[in-house]
Amino acid sequence: GAGVSQSPSNKVTEKGKDVELRCDPISGHTALYWYRQSLGQGLEFLIYFQGNSAPDKSGLPSDRFSAERTGGSVSTLTIQRTQQEDSAVYLCASSSGTGYTGELFFGEGSRLTVL
Amino acid sequence: AQSVTQLGSHVSVSEGALVLLRCNYSSSVPPYLFWYVQYPNQGLQLLLKYTTGATLVKGINGFEAEFKKSETSFHLTKPSAHMSDAAEYFCAVYTGRRALTFGSGTRLQVQP
Repeated sequence: GAGVSQSPSNKVTEKGKDVELRCDPISGHTALYWYRQSLGQGLEFLIYFQGNSAPDKSGLPSDRFSAERTGGSVSTLTIQRTQQEDSAVYLCASSSGTGYTGELFFGEGSRLTVL
Repeated sequence: AQSVTQLGSHVSVSEGALVLLRCNYSSSVPPYLFWYVQYPNQGLQLLLKYTTGATLVKGINGFEAEFKKSETSFHLTKPSAHMSDAAEYFCAVYTGRRALTFGSGTRLQVQP
């Protein structure tokens, strides 16, 4: 597809379970970002991948959160031992080029509900 | 550290009225500034951006924003609101570290 694709679009899980959220960026985009959107909280930065550089993980809220990006393309965000406060929409975005243009292309998000 | 403050989590205007969504930022270096819009059940999309040059920036759908360094503001305006403008609007700043920092968003309602 032409845009950023995220799956699943909706995920309901029980507290304590692990979840994986997937992001397929726009082909050729070197940068990939994960944000979390909670009700009334705006967008919270989680992690940033740029090419082959070490990712910027400074936004991950706890060690239960991790992400990887395989082959410079698809990324998976993993949340272990989910808690109710993890309920949110997880947004993935990608951008192109070595220079920073500022235009992020967002997916439609994965809505996570932890019961 | 950079941050973004959006005044007003909800703004309601009548169709045809002026739209003004406020954004103030803090940054220790010259910022790049952005407005993104999120329609219901969709991802965010870029509305307009300021990087360098002209401080009045025009975006899509008739929106514009003016970078005022002295006021550390980047307010979004549109002369005449349309029903299709109802959405959530996010201001964001980039100062060279990691990714964009977003404000908490302003939900715009347009009344007929």
